[in-house]
Amino acid sequence: AQSVTQLDSQVPVFEEAPVELRCNYSSSVSVYLFWYVQYPNQGLQLLLKYLSGSTLVKGINGFEAEFNKSQTSFHLRKPSVHISDTAEYFCAVSDRWSGGSNYKLTFGKGTLLTVNP
Amino acid sequence: NAGVTQTPKFQVLKTGQSMTLQCAQDMNHNSMYWYRQDPGMGLRLIYYSASEGTTDKGEVPNGYNVSRLNKREFSLRLESAAPSQTSVYFCASSEEYKVVTQYFGPGTRLLVL
Repeated sequence: AQSVTQLDSQVPVFEEAPVELRCNYSSSVSVYLFWYVQYPNQGLQLLLKYLSGSTLVKGINGFEAEFNKSQTSFHLRKPSVHISDTAEYFCAVSDRWSGGSNYKLTFGKGTLLTVNP
Repeated sequence: NAGVTQTPKFQVLKTGQSMTLQCAQDMNHNSMYWYRQDPGMGLRLIYYSASEGTTDKGEVPNGYNVSRLNKREFSLRLESAAPSQTSVYFCASSEEYKVVTQYFGPGTRLLVL
């Protein structure tokens, strides 16, 4: 079964600074990766996903992530953050469930991004 | 187009009480899911329904039951609530049970005393 490790539980940054949220996953033959964002008291919203093709994936709100197969990583980046980016960010990987044909999402434990003025 | 809706938004139960969390989606999705979110644990899958008429256990099914009432609705029932079930519960849906985007509801905060 897949596992996802988000290396930082909290990341504080100042407004307009760049940010990188790190995500590593356990190796698999094929892997599909996602980043979700959860704003306070809300559900999860998809930021971006990697299914195949270009390893640099662009998402909403100026975020992007790079799939690195050799490093088994899928780090999320934004060149300049805003106060409104304050939220919890979850990395997730899709893999087969119980060896069958069904898939499930396995989530990391989340990284709380706090953007300070 | 409301997406995924959940009721109630917040509930307080006493140990041993039962309740049903409701979820509905209006995107004509085939697959629906129930997760729980606990601090520092991320989201863990409780049950899922790959298609109407089918349900299967996820990672943490103990203490829960589900019903896929029709294509739109997927409910989660706690028969005898325990303090360990204090959590935030999220329902999600996707077109198919494959590698596709899951869309999440706003969540239900449950406190079991």
